[in-house]
Amino acid sequence: EPEVTQTPSHQVTQMGQEVILRCVPISNHLYFYWYRQILGQKVEFLVSFYNNEISEKSEIFDDQFSVERPDGSNFTLKIRSTKLEDSAMYFCASGFRELAVQETQYFGPGTRLLVL
Amino acid sequence: AQKITQTQPGMFVQEKEAVTLDCTYDTSDPSYGLFWYKQPSSGEMIFLIYQGSYDQQNATEGRYSLNFQKARKSANLVISASQLGDSAMYFCASTSGGGADGLTFGKGTHLIIQP
Repeated sequence: EPEVTQTPSHQVTQMGQEVILRCVPISNHLYFYWYRQILGQKVEFLVSFYNNEISEKSEIFDDQFSVERPDGSNFTLKIRSTKLEDSAMYFCASGFRELAVQETQYFGPGTRLLVL
Repeated sequence: AQKITQTQPGMFVQEKEAVTLDCTYDTSDPSYGLFWYKQPSSGEMIFLIYQGSYDQQNATEGRYSLNFQKARKSANLVISASQLGDSAMYFCASTSGGGADGLTFGKGTHLIIQP
């Protein structure tokens, strides 16, 4: 069964460094998302991406974040200058529309980011 | 803006019993979707079940069913014949009807199945 994959599974970085989190969505999906989950808290939406542009973003997704779909398979989240509070699990998700209603979003296994 | 409320931070249930996880939502959108995800201790988010706001019947997927009461704005997850492997965090989530909308999640319910 097709699934969303994410690399790396864990990343440790120093405060102020740039990180790039990578995702390979399910191949026939058209909608792509990033979420984060700070340890012990609920999952929070960051950004959605459709037709090669950002469709929606939350207030968390400020100028230090960017997303890109550099080729036909990868979807990346870049954090330009990491802060301690960026430490979290980052989930990529992808979805498709069924019957022109809401799409079901399938999540990857996550990347656990630790900023020191 | 949407809001999801899960009032049960934790639940203990005996194996083989049915369990109901509560979820209420608040949205002004006429078209929306409701989802349940399972997060085991390993951390991944597993899609369980989806209910559309215009669906006439409650969604079912194997042992999972969604008790959708639109007038009460509730979307409770029912797990029949619980198993030890059902122990996990369960999140209710919603999305509105337009565009590539992000999911709004509740705080989750930690379900523990006891033998």
